[in-house]
Amino acid sequence: DVKVTQSSRYLVKRTGEKVFLECVQDMDHENMFWYRQDPGLGLRLIYFSYDVKMKEKGDIPEGYSVSREKKERFSLILESASTNQTSMYLCASSLGETRGQETQYFGPGTRLLVL
Amino acid sequence: AQSVTQLGSHVSVSEGALVLLRCNYSSSVPPYLFWYVQYPNQGLQLLLKYTSAATLVKGINDFEAEFKKSETSFHLTKPSAHMSDAAEYFCAVTNSGGSNYKLTFGKGTLLTVNP
Repeated sequence: DVKVTQSSRYLVKRTGEKVFLECVQDMDHENMFWYRQDPGLGLRLIYFSYDVKMKEKGDIPEGYSVSREKKERFSLILESASTNQTSMYLCASSLGETRGQETQYFGPGTRLLVL
Repeated sequence: AQSVTQLGSHVSVSEGALVLLRCNYSSSVPPYLFWYVQYPNQGLQLLLKYTSAATLVKGINDFEAEFKKSETSFHLTKPSAHMSDAAEYFCAVTNSGGSNYKLTFGKGTLLTVNP
C-alpha cells in the first residue's frame, strides 16, 4: 500500500513565524502535491512537483514556497505565517506515468492554526 | 481550464436509501474525472475514476458513476446507503499545464446518513 505521511497532525504557530510542513511518500512516486482545504472551498492546489528539484505553482501559491531535495520528500514552507493561512494542509503523491489518469494518494493532513 | 461543479454542499439520506451526489464538468473535450471520499479526520481516497473507457464506472464500496457527455455530468450513486458512508465527497477533473497534469476539485458534498 502507498503510504503518505505528514510530519504533524496539528500545529499552532504565531503570526510571522516561518513554518515547515513535511510530507514523505514511500512508493517512489514522481509527482507530489500540496493542497489546502477550507470549508466550502474544497481543495485548492498550492504547489506541485513532478521531479526532484522541480516545482510548479498551483492555483494559490502566494505566501508559500516548496522544496523537493529528495524524491520521497516534499516540504511546504510558509515564509511568514499569517492568520489567513489557518487551514488544513493535505499532501498527495502520484506515480507520474499515466498522464492525467493517475490516482493521487493523500496523507492524513496537517491542521494549522496561526494565532 | 476545466472545472467541476458539485450541486448541493450537504446531502442527507436515510440508511438504506439511494445515494445521489451530483457533479457537472465544464469541458469541450472528454475529460478525466474522479470521485474521492474523505472520512472524518482522514485524507482523501479514490472512490472511482473515468478515463474514457466504459461510461459506467464502478468503484469501491458499491459506489458507481456514469459519464454522460450530453449532460456534462458524472454523478455518483450508491443503491443503499450505509452509516459508514457518512463522509465528504469530492469530484475532480484533470487539467493540464504543458506536459504536467493536476487535479481541480469541486467544493465537496457532505453526506449525512440517518439511522
